Amino acid sequence: DAGITQSPRHKVTETGTPVTLRCHQTENHRYMYWYRQDPGHGLRLIHYSYGVKDTDKGEVSDGYSVSRSKTEDFLLTLESATSSQTSVYFCASSGLVIVSGTDTQYFGPGTRLTVL
Amino acid sequence: KNEVEQSPQNLTAQEGEFITINCSYSVGISALHWLQQHPGGGIVSLFMLSSGKKKHGRLIATINIQEKHSSLHITASHPRDSAVYICAPSEDDGLTFGKGTHLIIQP
Repeated sequence: DAGITQSPRHKVTETGTPVTLRCHQTENHRYMYWYRQDPGHGLRLIHYSYGVKDTDKGEVSDGYSVSRSKTEDFLLTLESATSSQTSVYFCASSGLVIVSGTDTQYFGPGTRLTVL
Repeated sequence: KNEVEQSPQNLTAQEGEFITINCSYSVGISALHWLQQHPGGGIVSLFMLSSGKKKHGRLIATINIQEKHSSLHITASHPRDSAVYICAPSEDDGLTFGKGTHLIIQP
């Protein structure tokens, strides 16, 4: 399995506070992703990165920002957390996206965030 | 946006039974992923396929690109197969995830 970790694993915070989640991978994968998982929904893409300093928005990017200053680290920031951002957040990484398909994505263990 | 439908949403079966989970999608794709989410929450990629069939142990995945349909089969099911199984068609702008099939295998 790819080495991909997330921190923290659990966090409780209050509405209006900033929150940063960290994803760290040791596979030298080029692509990294942040998803959120909510009851009644499939995983939804928040942001993704296709290289250092190269990021783009996903389906549910409002209220989130990301940064990737090193290949191994991908940070997700909630500038001012809201209760609607209570969710389980998964990070993933993959090595190669080719025209005819995508490479396997390796998922982190998830971060359970509660915004009170 | 690709519309992904999985069936059944929930399935309870007895140990040893042959299990089939279906996935249909609305937009043509380049590949499709099957994922397994353990009761503890961890997500593991099982298969990525773009045509035909793949087999890993007791798991078999098939896809019919023309009919926009894929199936995941589990032979000789075991309680440790209890998990949520998620299909995720892949397009140029990434994966679209189904809501998952919650499988419980009873001893």
